[in-house]
Amino acid sequence: QVQLQESGPGLVKPSETLSLTCDVSGFSVSSSSYYWGWIRQPPGKGLEWIGNIHYRGSTYYNPSLKSRVAISVDTSKNQFSLKLSSVTAADTAVYYCARDPGFCNDGSCYGWFDTWGQGTLVTVSS
Amino acid sequence: EIVLTQSPGTLSLSPGERATLSCRASQSVSSRYLAWYQQKPGQAPRLLIYGASSRATGIPDRFSGSGSGTDFTLTINRLQPEDFAVYYCQQYGSSPRTFGQGTKLEIK
Repeated sequence: QVQLQESGPGLVKPSETLSLTCDVSGFSVSSSSYYWGWIRQPPGKGLEWIGNIHYRGSTYYNPSLKSRVAISVDTSKNQFSLKLSSVTAADTAVYYCARDPGFCNDGSCYGWFDTWGQGTLVTVSS
Repeated sequence: EIVLTQSPGTLSLSPGERATLSCRASQSVSSRYLAWYQQKPGQAPRLLIYGASSRATGIPDRFSGSGSGTDFTLTINRLQPEDFAVYYCQQYGSSPRTFGQGTKLEIK
């Protein structure tokens, strides 16, 4: 049974970089049939897709965050990571990692999220 | 980007009744690339439907999805106590993928 678990600091100062890791168990991130994604949800609000990665290293980002986001994958540890730079209070949210059985090409991704981590709250505050 | 508008914002029903949730897109969603999720307080979203009408693994058949183009519907028959939650639609036919703002299904 595939499980995802986010980890990382719960408090980040404004202008600094938010860093989170998603550990995957019960399934290999090196599966060619899946992408791995990050989604966030500000308190009391809706969901926003941040970006995706394939184990071969191809990345796809939401244009609204593209200039500040970097997603990477470590197949040896069966995990993938998110970095979001120059954070502000608007980046305060629950961050979820998820598995995406869709596909990506020509710079765009077309898929849903079939398995999610429990989420981790990241607060941006001094 | 495609904007998804869900209605109603809140739906108050009793166990045993049928719930009909709407998701309207600002432009046509290609290939019926639409998913539905259920989220309970303090939990991650749970995939219910993908491809507009395909149930995800383990989802009871009282949940059904329909629609195409710009209008999609999630129907929940014979509401159970565990069905009261917030429901989100998500389109993945156009990049970036976007979510609706949610419909809260509450016990009347």
